[in-house]
Amino acid sequence: GAGVSQSPSNKVTEKGKDVELRCDPISGHTALYWYRQSLGQGLEFLIYFQGNSAPDKSGLPSDRFSAERTGGSVSTLTIQRTQQEDSAVYLCASSLGETQYFGPGTRLLVL
Amino acid sequence: EDQVTQSPEALRLQEGESSSLNCSYTVSGLRGLFWYRQDPGKGPEFLFTLYSAGEEKEKERLKATLTKKESFLHITAPKPEDSATYLCAVRGGSQGNLIFGKGTKLSVKP
Repeated sequence: GAGVSQSPSNKVTEKGKDVELRCDPISGHTALYWYRQSLGQGLEFLIYFQGNSAPDKSGLPSDRFSAERTGGSVSTLTIQRTQQEDSAVYLCASSLGETQYFGPGTRLLVL
Repeated sequence: EDQVTQSPEALRLQEGESSSLNCSYTVSGLRGLFWYRQDPGKGPEFLFTLYSAGEEKEKERLKATLTKKESFLHITAPKPEDSATYLCAVRGGSQGNLIFGKGTKLSVKP
């Protein structure tokens, strides 16, 4: 079956611009996660959605980052007023049980 | 504080040379330890989940084991196509998210 998909694959933006990253989880998965992977760093948790519960936003690095999940499926991660340190690979994962399945990521470069 | 440390950072092997990767962890109430493989430019690919000390799982040339403090990923007679970064992660307590180590980059030369 289809895995987690993310778009765009790559995004180049200028400092100060807003960006939106999209994640389509595996059909039927109730949980959705966003992580960030910077060069030389491990995966860093950003935000977690579980069903209709309030999202766990404890990993968001600043108020410039936000995310929503519409209809319990597709999610959008928004970064406002991007900074050069936001350059990273943004990974989305979904799960039904304990195991999380990852998408291919969006590579964001802020110039 | 929950933490995952992987060693070595990088490992170079000759084809057929068996070895092990280490993942040391501290977590409150382990709900699962996960191994992933990540190829350059791609997202992590799930390999194994281990839940309790003494548990072992195998897939082709890979075998994962778990103790109360660490996990090992044993690679038997590796091939060049096993070259990748191997990531270890834990989920504990009431957390939904995974806590990842920085990974071990494995290179297998023919």
